[in-house]
Amino acid sequence: DIQMTQSPSSLSASVGDRVTITCRASQFISSYLNWYQQKPGKVPELLIHSASSLQSGVPSRFSGSGSGTDFTLTISSLQPEDFATYFCQQTYRTSFTFGPGTKVDIK
Amino acid sequence: EVQVVESGGGLVQPGRSLRLSCAASGFTFDDYAMHWVRQAPGKGLEWVSSISWNSGTIVYAESVKGRFTISRDNAKNLVYLQMNSLRSDDTALYYCARMDDRIAARPFDYWGQGTRVTVSS
Repeated sequence: DIQMTQSPSSLSASVGDRVTITCRASQFISSYLNWYQQKPGKVPELLIHSASSLQSGVPSRFSGSGSGTDFTLTISSLQPEDFATYFCQQTYRTSFTFGPGTKVDIK
Repeated sequence: EVQVVESGGGLVQPGRSLRLSCAASGFTFDDYAMHWVRQAPGKGLEWVSSISWNSGTIVYAESVKGRFTISRDNAKNLVYLQMNSLRSDDTALYYCARMDDRIAARPFDYWGQGTRVTVSS
């Protein structure tokens, strides 16, 4: 199975900060990498698919990059509604593995 | 409007069975693969099982293989997850999600609100 890791596991940031979250796959996954946002008590929502394609309706302050095994989610200017947990997911193999998540909270 | 609604969760004793249902609407159901994903209390997301549009491809996570069975009824726009031999570590919120395989990266683009399963004596 493909294992997904994320770093950091949590971070504290202020409104307006630039935030970067890293996701790494244990083997090559091309660009079969998706990012989800989950707010407390809420359903996960798709943010970015195919490593860098913004899902319809998602603010442009979110961006994704990477291919192969290393990927990044960037929030260019953190907003109050962005405090949440972010998960990456590989869909290269049918284990459809999620990363452990990165919790972004208020500094 | 796309909607995915899970039901069937509850409190069940270890070793017993439970069947979850997922009702879909607002899209052409038999165009899409569907998945079950679970989240244990305070934990991350764990993919559980998937079924292709025509039930021709079915896959399970190792943690549930041999105990869980996924199925779908395209005439009724329903997906099921039959869970047998339940264990305490199956306790979780179970989400049903649509996979958009028109996109190569096959993201899970719509999720239900989840149904809670608690396995305890």
